[in-house]
Amino acid sequence: RKEVEQDPGPFNVPEGATVAFNCTYSNSASQSFFWYRQDCRKEPKLLMSVYSSGNEDGRFTAQLNRASQYISLLIRDSKLSDSATYLCVVNFPDSGGSNYKLTFGKGTLLTVNP
Amino acid sequence: GAVVSQHPSRVICKSGTSVKIECRSLDFQATTMFWYRQFPKQSLMLMATSNEGSKATYEQGVEKDKFLINHASLTLSTLTVTSAHPEDSSFYICSALNPYSGGTDTQYFGPGTRLTVL
Repeated sequence: RKEVEQDPGPFNVPEGATVAFNCTYSNSASQSFFWYRQDCRKEPKLLMSVYSSGNEDGRFTAQLNRASQYISLLIRDSKLSDSATYLCVVNFPDSGGSNYKLTFGKGTLLTVNP
Repeated sequence: GAVVSQHPSRVICKSGTSVKIECRSLDFQATTMFWYRQFPKQSLMLMATSNEGSKATYEQGVEKDKFLINHASLTLSTLTVTSAHPEDSSFYICSALNPYSGGTDTQYFGPGTRLTVL
């Protein structure tokens, strides 16, 4: 099982659509969860952290299900500017259990069309 | 927000030369920085963790003698790709851990360096 696995995509949606991204992770000891977006040939930028209670930031809603080791991101009323690759990122402990490092999913490409 | 810069943004070099990439945290002190590599259509892969004043910790499969990391100050880490070969061509991205951010593990990424080895 891959450490962080995402929908392979790509997703092509019209403006105004609602789009959902799914992600699963393999290590139940993970403590922190994030969604990043990465534009073509650019660095990743933090979109939002994901909390157990779920969190919302404007049109973006993130959910975490620890029991299922599942993370989701919902984008409502999608805009042209939302076109990017969305990366699911999980903080995994190392073999010693004391240091954590970010592990990135492969990303899901979203294209929002006019 | 926290700003991390990288220099150069792009480099093209001949096979066998060495290339140094700088990563700077501009408005905060970063005791820990990370170096990642991303090949086309692949995810970011952590290469090494750079701690100020101590040796870097390399991930499995990353040659420490080929990818030299120096973190001599709280705002600067450098990655030197020694004797670069075409298979080293990639997008190299650094990140810095901001201990003063709201989260204890928020990493801020530099803009990346695109290395092409001919």
